[in-house]
Amino acid sequence: SYELTQPPSLSVSPGQTATITCSGNKLGDKFACWYQQKPGQSPVLVIYQDYKRPSGIPERFSGSNSGNTATLTISGTQATDEADYYCQAWDGSTARVFGGGTKLTVL
Amino acid sequence: EVQLVESGGGLIQPGGSLTLSCAASGFSVSSNYMSWVRQAPGKGLEWVSIIYSGDSTYYADSVKGRFTISRDTSKNTLYLQVNNLRGDDTALYYCARENIDFNAMDVWGQGTTVTVSS
Repeated sequence: SYELTQPPSLSVSPGQTATITCSGNKLGDKFACWYQQKPGQSPVLVIYQDYKRPSGIPERFSGSNSGNTATLTISGTQATDEADYYCQAWDGSTARVFGGGTKLTVL
Repeated sequence: EVQLVESGGGLIQPGGSLTLSCAASGFSVSSNYMSWVRQAPGKGLEWVSIIYSGDSTYYADSVKGRFTISRDTSKNTLYLQVNNLRGDDTALYYCARENIDFNAMDVWGQGTTVTVSS
């Protein structure tokens, strides 16, 4: 089965750039998206189709996808960005797959 | 307002069954791809099942043969029939709309909790 791998955790200082990776076989050939989930809340879509931002998502969130790695970048990270982040893609057939999630700490 | 509201979760014994519901407002469940996603306590998101606008259905290997996704157009509601429940099915179950133009889930409910325990 298809798997997406994320680092379990990442720490950044306020104002710095957070870079979260998501690895999967030939992931660059698929569309990747990213969700933000804060404690006790439902996931929120922050990036779709590799790099596009839904309405209402700040410009500091950006994405890319090439080769075997998709990347979520948060520029000028704020305390409010502290959350779990999940990448997601299709497995090439019909199943959707989530990465294991990355806990972003802003300190 | 576009919204999804899940219900039907609860405490159920191993081997038992439940039907989870997800009432949609502001859009039609029949015209969209709709998914169920679950999250075990303290764990990550796990995709469970999807129903396409054309009624095709697909399942994660972990639930295939035990779970059934369906929808009622007249009630604008999505369902997940969960049978033969096991301890590792304990989770918060979310329904989500998969935006076809986005290739991503852009609307999520608040979730309903299923606890499998004797």
